[in-house]
Amino acid sequence: ILNVEQSPQSLHVQEGDSTNFTCSFPSSNFYALHWYRWETAKSPEALFVMTLNGDEKKKGRISATLNTKEGYSYLYIKGSQPEDSATYLCACASGGSYIPTFGRGTSLIVHP
Amino acid sequence: EAQVTQNPRYLITVTGKKLTVTCSQNMNHEYMSWYRQDPGLGLRQIYYSMNVEVTDKGDVPEGYKVSRKEKRNFPLILESPSPNQTSLYFCASSFSLAGDTDTQYFGPGTRLTVL
Repeated sequence: ILNVEQSPQSLHVQEGDSTNFTCSFPSSNFYALHWYRWETAKSPEALFVMTLNGDEKKKGRISATLNTKEGYSYLYIKGSQPEDSATYLCACASGGSYIPTFGRGTSLIVHP
Repeated sequence: EAQVTQNPRYLITVTGKKLTVTCSQNMNHEYMSWYRQDPGLGLRQIYYSMNVEVTDKGDVPEGYKVSRKEKRNFPLILESPSPNQTSLYFCASSFSLAGDTDTQYFGPGTRLTVL
């Protein structure tokens, strides 16, 4: 089983704060890294997929970077809003497998 | 509308009573997968399918079966459910596992309780 770790496990911030989380994964034979956003009582929805070292993706106030050599990805949220409250999941395919393995997620709560 | 559907959405059953959770996608996706979500454990893969008649075990396959007789459908079968299979189940699909096109689309989830 591929070891995909996310930190922190949970995060409380105030509206307007910027924040970031980390996804760590085995760097050997890297294939793809995905970020998903999962709101309570809904299904996970895709944010980004990144495949190349140095990739940067952006969607509105949310952006992500990828470092495949050292095995990590950062997700940044600029100026957090209460509607950003969700669990953010990363999923990685590496170590010789194309099948993505999910981390346990980072739960973000943005207080008004 | 492109979507993944699951049925039922909620199910309470008793130990040993066989059940099937259906999953269907209308996007002509090749890859389909089943996950269970338990508190503190994240999404764990049960089974996946790369295409019709091609299925393989994920990380937690014990107690489950699947079939992929048609491209659009990927049912999850619990032959003899036990209380430790009480969980939230998600079906997901993607066009392939080819990098930028392999983002998964998730169904709405099925909350299963086994008494």
